Amino acid sequence: EVQLVESGGGLVQPGRSLRLSCAASGFTFDDYAMHWVRQPPGKGLEWVSGISGNSDKIGYADSVKGRFTISRDNAKNSLYLQMDSLRAEDMAFYYCTKGLFKAYPGGNDYWGQGTLVTVSS
Amino acid sequence: QLVLTQSPSASASLGASVKLTCTLSSGHSSYAIAWHQQQPEKGPRYLMKLNSDGSHTKGDGIPDRFSGSSSGAERYLTISSLQSEDEADYYCQTWGTGIQVFGGGTKLTVL
Repeated sequence: EVQLVESGGGLVQPGRSLRLSCAASGFTFDDYAMHWVRQPPGKGLEWVSGISGNSDKIGYADSVKGRFTISRDNAKNSLYLQMDSLRAEDMAFYYCTKGLFKAYPGGNDYWGQGTLVTVSS
Repeated sequence: QLVLTQSPSASASLGASVKLTCTLSSGHSSYAIAWHQQQPEKGPRYLMKLNSDGSHTKGDGIPDRFSGSSSGAERYLTISSLQSEDEADYYCQTWGTGIQVFGGGTKLTVL
């Protein structure tokens, strides 16, 4: 059974940093691209960033480019999102998602339960 | 620019069928999409990948009541024999040149 478990969310002041983690299980982790998707409370889904199975392809939404960094550790079956210079508009539920197939970026077929990032002074 | 357009809302009666539409932007009519469902207070769930020729691959445990079809730049999600638990937000998603894109979502109300 595929499981994606996010952690690391919480309350952070504007301008500060936060690191999200996602522990994956139930599939061959390095065979798939992985993505972060966010959702401000009461609003729609927004793709944030994605990374290919061997990390040779990485993409970011324009809204986070230069502030967020995605990475993965295939030995630990883990995905990360380093978020720097956080802004109020970054406040959202952040979902870890599994890519549909090896090719990057592709779509997503499994979602974690989400972790809430609140940016407020 | 790769954009997906969805109607903000739809409604249908219990036991009836409903067809939701997702429209790809000009020049992208050959793109595949994915449909996702988000029930109230829950995380999204993958429903299916839908190709431009209408062929689709559903996710684990997705009932036969959910089906997909395509026509030109339009991608459809049809839900038959509507049940109360189908009341949810439905998002389409596509991908290309290193990015993913989501539609704005359709809120389905089951009357």
